[in-house]
Amino acid sequence: SQQGEEDPQALSIQEGENATMNCSYKTSINNLQWYRQNSGRGLVHLILIRSNEREKHSGRLRVTLDTSKKSSSLLITASRAADTASYFCATDFDYKLSFGAGTTVTVRA
Amino acid sequence: DSGVTQTPKHLITATGQRVTLRCSPRSGDLSVYWYQQSLDQGLQFLIQYYNGEERAKGNILERFSAQQFPDLHSELNLSSLELGDSALYFCASSDGETQYFGPGTRLLVL
Repeated sequence: SQQGEEDPQALSIQEGENATMNCSYKTSINNLQWYRQNSGRGLVHLILIRSNEREKHSGRLRVTLDTSKKSSSLLITASRAADTASYFCATDFDYKLSFGAGTTVTVRA
Repeated sequence: DSGVTQTPKHLITATGQRVTLRCSPRSGDLSVYWYQQSLDQGLQFLIQYYNGEERAKGNILERFSAQQFPDLHSELNLSSLELGDSALYFCASSDGETQYFGPGTRLLVL
């Protein structure tokens, strides 16, 4: 079963725009991680935010975490064509990563 | 390149057969994880090994088994294969928190 649920399922934006996707989860977590997957290839780790952190930045990525609402958001600023991919949130608890269904992002040139 | 390697990249087999997928973790990582990704189930955690010992179990079928060897590489054995086992199988290794994924093995059961 999947703990995380991403919203929206799909997103289409123009190059240079920002992309925001959300993740909601159900149970306690140690940390929450975001991954990117390009068309059926391996997952690439983007960023990890611990349960006691509220916001984290990495390059053009900004992640927030609200443990009271059991939700997280991923913002990609100034998107590029190379950002076209599926993005997954994964909650980490008890040595297990539970992935959501993902958000498919298409960046139009 | 995550540093995690998986072989083979592609595998085509018939129902009822048995296959073995292999994973080599990043140098120094003691944990290995196996995941299955299919269109209907999404990404599912199967099993985790830490330094040769099973540490956590997820949605792994009884027909599937895994092990981690003293050199830390891991194998996932899938037996009595069914059409529904067709999927991408990923291995990941961890430095503690972050999991680094291999390129996957695409299994097609005909």
